[in-house]
Amino acid sequence: EDQVTQSPEALRLQEGESSSLNCSYTVSGLRGLFWYRQDPGKGPEFLFTLYSAGEEKEKERLKATLTKKESFLHITAPKPEDSATYLCAVRGILTGGGNKLTFGTGTQLKVEL
Amino acid sequence: DTAVSQTPKYLVTQMGNDKSIKCEQNLGHDTMYWYKQDSKKFLKIMFSYNNKELIINETVPNRFSPKSPDKAHLNLHINSLELGDSAVYFCASSQTRTGLDEQFFGPGTRLTVL
Repeated sequence: EDQVTQSPEALRLQEGESSSLNCSYTVSGLRGLFWYRQDPGKGPEFLFTLYSAGEEKEKERLKATLTKKESFLHITAPKPEDSATYLCAVRGILTGGGNKLTFGTGTQLKVEL
Repeated sequence: DTAVSQTPKYLVTQMGNDKSIKCEQNLGHDTMYWYKQDSKKFLKIMFSYNNKELIINETVPNRFSPKSPDKAHLNLHINSLELGDSAVYFCASSQTRTGLDEQFFGPGTRLTVL
């Protein structure tokens, strides 16, 4: 069964203090790895999809990278508005007839002034 | 403008009751999902429908029954509610059934069973 582990569970940064969130995965052949952002009281919001090791994607202060065992979400010079829970999910080959994503429990990021 | 909407946003009920949550998407997507998010933020797929056909049915008690009257709507009916059913339920949709495209989530329904 596909598994996703995210670390740390919670991270507190000062504004401008860059850091990285980790997503380790075990999957039956990776078809895609996804990052979502979830604000309190709201549904997850899509950020990135990575398909193969070595791939990188960027959006504003966020950059996602992928290896064969893990993905990192790098946050450069974060701002308070980047505070949210960041969720990682994988889509493996063996998900039956459907299209199941397996999510991690997320990293809760708080960026302070 | 709302892409994926759910009603109600909050649902408080007694154990043993039956309740329904409704979901609608106006994105023209073919695939819709129900997820359950527990108190530890773990988001787990429950069901997925593609063009009104059930394609994912995870290990969920048969007290939970999804219904898709058309591809823009996916409702969730829960019979004989239990304390452990308390969670936030999210509806989502995507263009295809591949699981490789972006999923759009609704705002969630917070269910509290007393």
